Amino acid sequence: GENVEQHPSTLSVQEGDSAVIKCTYSDSASNYFPWYKQELGKGPQLIIDIRSNVGEKKDQRIAVTLNKTAKHFSLHITETQPEDSAVYFCAAPSGGTYKYIFGTGTRLKVLA
Amino acid sequence: GAVVSQHPSWVICKSGTSVKIECRSLDFQATTMFWYRQFPKQSLMLMATSNEGSKATYEQGVEKDKFLINHASLTLSTLTVTSAHPEDSSFYICSARVVSGYTFGSGTRLTVV
Repeated sequence: GENVEQHPSTLSVQEGDSAVIKCTYSDSASNYFPWYKQELGKGPQLIIDIRSNVGEKKDQRIAVTLNKTAKHFSLHITETQPEDSAVYFCAAPSGGTYKYIFGTGTRLKVLA
Repeated sequence: GAVVSQHPSWVICKSGTSVKIECRSLDFQATTMFWYRQFPKQSLMLMATSNEGSKATYEQGVEKDKFLINHASLTLSTLTVTSAHPEDSSFYICSARVVSGYTFGSGTRLTVV
């Protein structure tokens, strides 16, 4: 089955700086990789995703890159703002099913 | 976009009682819903997959008699924690598969005292 590892577990950046979170996966058949943002006491919210037929996707200050050969994908947040502070999770499908395996999460803190 | 409404957002119950959590898909039909449990500062762990009109599929180690799942309609799935114990205290989240991926409910914080 799929195994997803996420790093770092915590990340503190100064407001305006960039933040990068990386996930590796094990199942080479995985073809869809979402990133979720979870604020305290709330459910996860999809912020960006990427399919295996592209290497990069960008949406304003957020981008995701995918390296299929190395089996890793990364979340990039530029010009960070205090409201970006949250826990971010990556995910990957398990064994070609509809089940998703989540990374362990990264607690991002943007310091004003 | 597709929205999943989850209720209650928080609940406190006594040990030994049962608690029901509801998830409703708004403006779309969800033939499949997923139930997750999340302990503090940990990731989401899939508990079971709820299928409309059929039995739920439970992940290894999840007691199906303790966590009863009912998906009787295309817009409603429920999770009932039976004979709750303090170790069942957790954040429970449902999710539904949509065209763009998955959409999550807002979560239910269960505290068993």
